[in-house]
Parts: sequence; structure tokens; C-alpha cells
Amino acid sequence: KQEVTQIPAALSVPEGENLVLNCSFTDSAIYNLQWFRQDPGKGLTSLLLIQSSQREQTSGRLNASLDKSSGRSTLYIAASQPGDSATYLCAVRLGDSSYKLIFGSGTRLLVRP
Amino acid sequence: NAGVMQNPRHLVRRRGQEARLRCSPMKGHSHVYWYRQLPEEGLKFMVYLQKENIIDESGMPKERFSAEFPKEGPSILRIQQVVRGDSAAYFCASSLKTGRSAEAFFGQGTRLTVV
Repeated sequence: KQEVTQIPAALSVPEGENLVLNCSFTDSAIYNLQWFRQDPGKGLTSLLLIQSSQREQTSGRLNASLDKSSGRSTLYIAASQPGDSATYLCAVRLGDSSYKLIFGSGTRLLVRP
Repeated sequence: NAGVMQNPRHLVRRRGQEARLRCSPMKGHSHVYWYRQLPEEGLKFMVYLQKENIIDESGMPKERFSAEFPKEGPSILRIQQVVRGDSAAYFCASSLKTGRSAEAFFGQGTRLTVV
């Protein structure tokens, strides 16, 4: 059974710091992995999607890496800003015909001005 | 092209009442997924529907919960005789198709509070 774990559960950093969020999954047979942002009381915004054949994806100050063999992904945020404060969720999709996303519990990020 | 629309955004129900949550997928999307998020947890898959068909309801509680996606109109998640433990955020996602190139887009969610 696929399980997705995110550490740390919460993180507080001063503005401007570079930071890394971690996501691990127990079954390496994934189709893709996706990072989402969730603001309090809001929906999910997709940040980056990495296919299983890819090693990383970049969007602006965000960079996500994927190491399938070790069951790990990281989300790197450069030069953090208070507006980055949110909960970050990673989710894996199983198999090329599957549609279910298996989510981690998220990392709550607070960027202090 | 409007995104996935869910309503209501917030719903308060007394124990024993029924809750009806609505989801209008993105235009042209015929695949709908419902997820539930309990406080301080990630999202958990509940059910996958195509127009007029339930494809996978393996994540749905066996009792009191049902879902439909009629030919016309939004998808409905119905919870009968709600209990306090049903309090959660319910998210709907839709996709154009399933399989390799499908990407699901999420709505804003409905936050259900049972008092």
C-alpha cells in the first residue's frame, strides 16, 4: 500500500531564506508526483508536476526533484517571501492508467517578514 | 474557462441532517473525483465518477455516503444523517480524460461543519 510522508510537518523561516520541503513514498512504482499549495480555507493550487521519467521541474523560485528509486521528492523554494506562507502538499499518482492521487499530510510553512 | 466550481463553500448541519455538496467540473471535463480532508491531514480519495457512472467508490464509507454525476447538472456528494466525524473539507477535482495525460484540477472545496 502506497504511503506518502512529508517532513517537517511545520516550518518557520525568516524572509529571504532558501528552504527544502521533503516528501517520501513507500512504493517507487509511481506514474508522477505533484506538489500543491493550499492556503488556509482555500483549495489546492498545482505548483509542479514531475513525470516518473523526469528528475526535476522548475517554475520561477520553485524547483522540485524526484528520485524514484529512493522514494523521495524535494521542493526547493528560493528566496522565500511572506506570500509563500501556506501548506504544501505532495501527491503521487499510481500507474499510467490510475487516476487516484495519494496525498501526504502536508508541510505548513510560515515565512516571517 | 471557469475552473472547478463547488458550492456551497461552507455548510453547517446539525447531527442527523443531510448534507448535499455540489461540484461543477471544468468545461468539457467528464471525469470527476471527490476527496475528503480531515483537519491536519492530507486529502483522501473517496469516489471517481464519469457521466452517469460510478467508476470507483472504494474510498467512500459504506453507509450514509453516496455520489452521482448525472447527464445534466453538477456532481452531487450526499451525506445522510451526518455525524460530527463527517466535519471536514470536501474537494472535487475534474479532468478531461483519464490515463497518461490526464491532470486533475481541484475546486475550492466545501467545508462541512456538523454541530
